[in-house]
Amino acid sequence: DIQMTQSPSTLSASVGDRVSITCRASQSMSSWLAWYQQKPGQAPKVLIYKASTLESGVPSRFSGSGSGTEFTLTISSLQPDDFATYYCQQYSRYPYTFGQGTKLEIK
Amino acid sequence: QVQLVESGGGVVQPGRSLRLSCAASGFSFSDYAMHWVRQAPGKGLEWVAIISYEGSNKYYADSVKGRFTISRDDSKNTLYLQMNSLRAEDTAVFYCAREGGPYSSDRSDWYFGLWGRGTLVTVSS
Repeated sequence: DIQMTQSPSTLSASVGDRVSITCRASQSMSSWLAWYQQKPGQAPKVLIYKASTLESGVPSRFSGSGSGTEFTLTISSLQPDDFATYYCQQYSRYPYTFGQGTKLEIK
Repeated sequence: QVQLVESGGGVVQPGRSLRLSCAASGFSFSDYAMHWVRQAPGKGLEWVAIISYEGSNKYYADSVKGRFTISRDDSKNTLYLQMNSLRAEDTAVFYCAREGGPYSSDRSDWYFGLWGRGTLVTVSS
């Protein structure tokens, strides 16, 4: 199985900050990676797929980069609505696996 | 509108069975591969199973293989998850999810593009 490791587990930041979350895979997976945002009591929502493609309707302050085993989600200027938990997920091979999540908190 | 609505969750004793349903609307259900993903209380996301758009291919997480069965009824636009021999560690919110694009023709689309709100399964005596 491909293990996905996210860092940090928790991130404290302020509105307007630029933040980045890293996801590392235990083996190379090309660019078959997605990023999801989840708010308490809600289903996850896709932000980025194929490592760097922005899902339709997602604000352009979200961006993704990377390939192989290291990937990054960047939020260029944090908005109040962005405080949530973020997950990376590989869809290179079964079983699909997620990172453990990064909780983005208000500083 | 385009949506997925899960149902069938509840409290069940260890060793018993439960069947979850996921009703799709607003899109051509038969054109999409479908997944189940679960989330234990306070924990992260775990992929459970996939069924291909034509229903012929199914894959499962090792944690549920041999106990859970994914199926679909395109005439009813409904996805199912039959869960047998339930264990306490199966307690979770179960989400159904649709792939990002139809026919799985472009591998780029194999992510989870649409999610339902989830249904809670609690396995407890």
